[in-house]
Amino acid sequence: GQNIDQPTEMTATEGAIVQINCTYQTSGFNGLFWYQQHAGEAPTFLSYNVLDGLEEKGRFSSFLSRSKGYSYLLLKELQMKDSASYLCAVRDSNYQLIWGAGTKLIIKP
Amino acid sequence: ETGVTQSPTHLIKTRGQQVTLRCSSQSGHNTVSWYQQALGQGPQFIFQYYREEENGRGNFPPRFSGLQFPNYSSELNVNALELDDSALYLCASSTAGTSGGYNEQFFGPGTRLTVL
Repeated sequence: GQNIDQPTEMTATEGAIVQINCTYQTSGFNGLFWYQQHAGEAPTFLSYNVLDGLEEKGRFSSFLSRSKGYSYLLLKELQMKDSASYLCAVRDSNYQLIWGAGTKLIIKP
Repeated sequence: ETGVTQSPTHLIKTRGQQVTLRCSSQSGHNTVSWYQQALGQGPQFIFQYYREEENGRGNFPPRFSGLQFPNYSSELNVNALELDDSALYLCASSTAGTSGGYNEQFFGPGTRLTVL
């Protein structure tokens, strides 16, 4: 079966750095996405990785290791507005997105 | 704002009824995907339409069906509603069906369906 694992919840302090991990086992791999979802809202795109390595985009970075089936999302200089769920999704061999359950990130002052 | 709209925003139905949810994709996008998201869970893929044809389906029963129209808008129909169908239904539009590449999906605001 296909499986994507993320921690259920994480807590961090405003101004700090947090790393959200994602491990996956899927039927094929055609890219990994990270989305942010605020409560009651639709997911919004954060990053895309298809090759190994780090992709940096402002305060957010995403890393991929295909051999390990592993990715992380790194958020720097945390702000209160970063409190949200972060969803990891893998595009499988059928080009369909398989989603993790999401990591709820709580930012404290 | 992603340019993807969905209607209605909220809907309450009773068990056994039928429901139709609608989605207008972003201009220039020819692919629409539908997802079911239960509370506290990630989205679950229902199916995808590319140029009016279904080109992928998740693990959902046949009572979940859909359509895509020539203007690439889409409908999700659910028959014989069950209590477990209560969820947020999301549609997402993108620019390609089965090709690779970036093809970021842009999500609509969702329809919150409650089945009593």
